Amino acid sequence: EIVLTQSPATLSLSPGDTAPLSCKASQSLSTYLAWYQQKPGQAPRLLIYDASNRATGIPARFSGSGSGTDFTLTISSLEPEDFAVYYCQQRSNWPLTFGGGTKVEIK
Amino acid sequence: VQLLESGGGLAQPGGSLRLSCAASGFSFSSYGMSWVRQAPGKGLEWVSTISSSGGSSNYAASVKGRFTISRDNSKNTLFLQMNSLRAEDTALYYCAKEFTAVAYFDCWGQGTLVTVSS
Repeated sequence: EIVLTQSPATLSLSPGDTAPLSCKASQSLSTYLAWYQQKPGQAPRLLIYDASNRATGIPARFSGSGSGTDFTLTISSLEPEDFAVYYCQQRSNWPLTFGGGTKVEIK
Repeated sequence: VQLLESGGGLAQPGGSLRLSCAASGFSFSSYGMSWVRQAPGKGLEWVSTISSSGGSSNYAASVKGRFTISRDNSKNTLFLQMNSLRAEDTALYYCAKEFTAVAYFDCWGQGTLVTVSS
């Protein structure tokens, strides 16, 4: 099973800051990684697929990069609605796995 | 696109539940479908995926042999039969639609809560 390790667990930032979120895989994923955003009481929302492609309707301030075992989700100029929990997910191998999540909170 | 889960509730350890997910707004029979769960206050855990035709499926090790995923394309409905339930199966169970034939999830229901307790 591929283990995804997200860091940091919590990121305390202010609106307008840039948020770099990390996801490291226990083995190479090529670019088969997605990022999701989840707000309290809501279902997750797909943000990025295949490491760097924005899903439909996702603002340009969300960008993904990386390949192999190291991936980054960058949120530029945080908006108030961006404070949430973010998860990475791999589709390289079964079983599908998620990272433990990074909470982006208001400082 | 809408996914509406039902069938959750309280079950005793060792008991069974059957979850359903009614899909609308897209060509259900063209997409793989999955169940993803989230224990209270915890992260996301993939449970199972079924192909668009229903001919193949995959399971997490934690549920393999106890849970069975199935679908009825004539009724646009996804199912999860959950047997031999354990306390650690307590979670919000989401139904999720596959994203363009790859195993990401671009549409999620609001979830149905399963509580396993005596």
